[in-house]
Amino acid sequence: SQTIHQWPATLVQPVGSPLSLECTVEGTSNPNLYWYRQAAGRGLQLLFYSVGIGQISSEVPQNLSASRPQDRQFILSSKKLLLSDSGFYLCAWSGVARGQETQYFGPGTRLLVL
Amino acid sequence: AQTVTQSQPEMSVQEAETVTLSCTYDTSENNYYLFWYKQPPSRQMILVIRQEAYKQQNATENRFSVNFQKAAKSFSLKISDSQLGDTAMYFCAFMKRDGNYGQNFVFGPGTRLSVLP
Repeated sequence: SQTIHQWPATLVQPVGSPLSLECTVEGTSNPNLYWYRQAAGRGLQLLFYSVGIGQISSEVPQNLSASRPQDRQFILSSKKLLLSDSGFYLCAWSGVARGQETQYFGPGTRLLVL
Repeated sequence: AQTVTQSQPEMSVQEAETVTLSCTYDTSENNYYLFWYKQPPSRQMILVIRQEAYKQQNATENRFSVNFQKAAKSFSLKISDSQLGDTAMYFCAFMKRDGNYGQNFVFGPGTRLSVLP
């Protein structure tokens, strides 16, 4: 079965520091991968999506970037964090599971920028 | 562009009762999929139920069922015999296949459901 991992689970970083969040998927090949951000009590904001290795599309201009170095690995990065980058970051994959197209989410990373 | 609306920011229901969460969407597509996701306090997003637009029969998953009205572009979620563990944020989502995205997902703003003992 398919499994999606994210780490770290929680991160506290000072303003101006770099960021690297990692997401990996098991049990499927060539998935579409997504990074979402969720502010407390709010909906999902799509940040990046990828349909293949090295193929990244950005939805929102910001100081974040994403990379997909391997088929099942998706990385969210920043060179210098801002206070507004605080939030809950969710990685997701979409494709066909059990004969049905759908989207599954990882456990998320809580990021607090101080 | 597709939009998803959830007009009830918050709802509450007594344990063992039935509650219905509303969702409407706007699209010009004919082939698409609709989903309900649940996000409990742990913040893990959990797929509750999915519906293919070409299917007239409403999807059901145990205590969860949907009322899919394609012409009205409505997709409500009914939770029967509500349990304390159903307390969560519920998100309605729309998906269509897209040449660039692969699958293009759009989420509603969510409805916070509280099940009261």
